[in-house]
Amino acid sequence: AQTVTQSQPEMSVQEAETVTLSCTYDTSESDYYLFWYKQPPSRQMILVIRQEAYKQQNATENRFSVNFQKAAKSFSLKISDSQLGDAAMYFCAYDGGSGNTGKLIFGQGTTLQVKP
Amino acid sequence: NAGVTQTPKFRVLKTGQSMTLLCAQDMNHEYMYWYRQDPGMGLRLIHYSVGEGTTAKGEVPDGYNVSRLKKQNFLLGLESAAPSQTSVYFCASSPKESDADTQYFGPGTRLTVL
Repeated sequence: AQTVTQSQPEMSVQEAETVTLSCTYDTSESDYYLFWYKQPPSRQMILVIRQEAYKQQNATENRFSVNFQKAAKSFSLKISDSQLGDAAMYFCAYDGGSGNTGKLIFGQGTTLQVKP
Repeated sequence: NAGVTQTPKFRVLKTGQSMTLLCAQDMNHEYMYWYRQDPGMGLRLIHYSVGEGTTAKGEVPDGYNVSRLKKQNFLLGLESAAPSQTSVYFCASSPKESDADTQYFGPGTRLTVL
């Protein structure tokens, strides 16, 4: 069965600095999708970024980028120029792709604190 | 366009009581999902639906039932609530027009079972 592991329960970063959140996963599939979701105190789940496994190029969305290492089954999120609004819980999620009907497997989450 | 809405936002039940959580989406999405979120465990899939009239079990389906009589609504029922079902429940929907479609989440329902 696929699993997703986030080994950092909590992280902190100084405003304007860069922080990297780690995620590893286990799968025997070759075609799949990976996501990072942000959950602020409002509880609303917000998609931050996604990566298709068949793409070698790392996804980027403004200040957010990923380091996707398929062989190592690693999918880390880098947040550059951290802002106070980035403070939230971040979840890494896996979607098994074709035939998976979109079921997501989530990691345990990492709480990010941004210090002014 | 309200997106995904959930009713109610909060609820307190006594052990053995029943209730239904309603999820509604106005985006004409085919796929809908119910997750529960517990501290330190991330979100786990309870049940899901790939279209009107269809439902399937997820990772943690025991103690829950679902129905998708209309495309826009996905109901989650607890027939006899237990304290172990105290959690935050999230509904999500997806157009699933491709394998990489994003799921859109509702704001969550915090349920406490005493």
